[in-house]
Amino acid sequence: GQSLEQPSEVTAVEGAIVQINCTYQTSGFYGLSWYQQHDGGAPTFLSYNALDGLEETGRFSSFLSRSDSYGYLLLQELQMKDSASYFCALLAGSARQLTFGSGTQLTVLP
Amino acid sequence: GAVVSQHPSWVICKSGTSVKIECRSLDFQATTMFWYRQFPKQSLMLMATSNEGSKATYEQGVEKDKFLINHASLTLSTLTVTSAHPEDSSFYICSASTDEAFFGQGTRLTVV
Repeated sequence: GQSLEQPSEVTAVEGAIVQINCTYQTSGFYGLSWYQQHDGGAPTFLSYNALDGLEETGRFSSFLSRSDSYGYLLLQELQMKDSASYFCALLAGSARQLTFGSGTQLTVLP
Repeated sequence: GAVVSQHPSWVICKSGTSVKIECRSLDFQATTMFWYRQFPKQSLMLMATSNEGSKATYEQGVEKDKFLINHASLTLSTLTVTSAHPEDSSFYICSASTDEAFFGQGTRLTVV
């Protein structure tokens, strides 16, 4: 099976940089994804890493180290609208299904 | 990007009745779709993998006779919650994948 660990809460101020870490265990691996979810909404895709290294998409970057079973999401120039839950998710298994971490609640303060 | 449409977005039903939720991939064909359930302040839990033209694969602990999944075409999967009870009240979300997973808007089910 698969399991993921990420912090439950992170708080930062507007304009700051925040890093959300994710460690995982899996018997099969295709990639690690990150999703954002605002209260009452569906998850939206942020980033996907299949290979080691950094992927940058605007203010958001994601990093993966497969040897360490570790990844992180980096959010720069934080804005109030970034307050949301962030989930790391493993893409694994014969059906390429996603297994989600427990989520990190990010609160951005003025 | 790809679009997955889920309907209805919310539904209230009486205890003991059944509710059907539809999930459509609008601009791509999805041989596999996934159904998740999310309780408040919790993560998304995979309920089942829906395979076009064959039986769904259910995760451990999910009652297949209660949560009926049909994937009759490459663009439509349905989840029917049968004999719903208040404890089935939750947020149900479907997804379909290419290189990334695209999620429907979710369905908030309230059983009264």
